[in-house]
Amino acid sequence: AQSVTQLDSQVPVFEEAPVELRCNYSSSVSVYLFWYVQYPNQGLQLLLKYLSGSTLVKGINGFEAEFNKSQTSFHLRKPSVHISDTAEYFCASGGSGGSNYKLTFGKGTLLTVNP
Amino acid sequence: DAGITQSPRHKVTETGTPVTLRCHQTENHRYMYWYRQDPGHGLRLIHYSYGVKDTDKGEVSDGYSVSRSKTEDFLLTLESATSSQTSVYFCAITRTGNEQFFGPGTRLTVL
Repeated sequence: AQSVTQLDSQVPVFEEAPVELRCNYSSSVSVYLFWYVQYPNQGLQLLLKYLSGSTLVKGINGFEAEFNKSQTSFHLRKPSVHISDTAEYFCASGGSGGSNYKLTFGKGTLLTVNP
Repeated sequence: DAGITQSPRHKVTETGTPVTLRCHQTENHRYMYWYRQDPGHGLRLIHYSYGVKDTDKGEVSDGYSVSRSKTEDFLLTLESATSSQTSVYFCAITRTGNEQFFGPGTRLTVL
């Protein structure tokens, strides 16, 4: 079974500072990886995804993530955060065909951007 | 987004009563999912469907049942609600490549 570990439950940063949210996955087969963002009292919105190809993936709102197969990681980064980036971020993994496209989610990282 | 609506958006009920949550999609996607979200647990899959009348259990299916009689509707039923089922429930669909899109959620409180 797949598992996803988000190494930090909370990450406080100051505005305009860089941030990295860490995610490790476990899977013995080809894996798809995703980052979702959830703003307060809203649903989940896809931030970016890795399906195949380039290991550096760019998403919305200036976020990017790097797929590292040897370290089984998919860390999310942003060079300069804004107050509006305050939200909870979820990493998720899914397998290739035969899995009914199910996703396994991490427990989330709450990013708080302070002025 | 993705033409997914959930109803009701908020519900307060009492222990022991039956509750049905509805997920409706307008894009004719085959796969649909029900998750619950609780602090410190992220999202956990309750049940999913891979077609009309085709459903299967997720990791936290005890106390829940589902039905899908039409492509566009996926119903989640709590036969006898308990306080441990107080949660936010999200419906999702898959478009392509495992990418899931989520509905706005239903906040359920069981007193």
